Amino acid sequence: DTAVSQTPKYLVTQMGNDKSIKCEQNLGHDTMYWYKQDSKKFLKIMFSYNNKELIINETVPNRFSPKSPDKAHLNLHINSLELGDSAVYFCASSPGTPFVFFGPGTRLTVL
Amino acid sequence: ELKVEQNPLFLSMQEGKNYTIYCNYSTTSDRLYWYRQDPGKSLESLFVLLSNGAVKQEGRLMASLDTKARLSTLHITAAVHDLSATYFCAVDNTDKLIFGTGTRLQVFP
Repeated sequence: DTAVSQTPKYLVTQMGNDKSIKCEQNLGHDTMYWYKQDSKKFLKIMFSYNNKELIINETVPNRFSPKSPDKAHLNLHINSLELGDSAVYFCASSPGTPFVFFGPGTRLTVL
Repeated sequence: ELKVEQNPLFLSMQEGKNYTIYCNYSTTSDRLYWYRQDPGKSLESLFVLLSNGAVKQEGRLMASLDTKARLSTLHITAAVHDLSATYFCAVDNTDKLIFGTGTRLQVFP
């Protein structure tokens, strides 16, 4: 009964490929997020959605496109992958301030 | 732009000792979070501090918030090896979390 789940856990791919990461939460929360943790462990928000509507888009290249088919899912599609996209991507969900719950993370390696 | 700074970045401490991690932030916020991250793992919520003067304790960890000074502290009492991890503070800024740089804590015998 995982609260926030992500697939896959690991993703290794070549530069130029397109890949997707899926996120699902079974907590009934309205708000979901994507955060990126780089190689220096620095965490930065990328997107947030509230009830399927995009709320925050933090100067992320438009090669990154989030999609929320329903409020329990927030997927992240990345086009034309670059070396610099290698990172750990965390999905998170929230019922509203102040609580935020993070998923297990997806480690993306671009070769 | 809100900036969140933590220090120290690295902390190596002996078991049984006490130490404090500091988190400074640059603009007003009344919500501050502390998370723990083990290597290769997700973020585990430790504390949520919601008002000036808030103090919360769990085991050997105690967190406090001074919103006037824009400062939070995470105090470690009588450290044990199991506390070895990276600790992040984060400030709520219009419903998004702005994270500090993290403090990598290593506790040795």
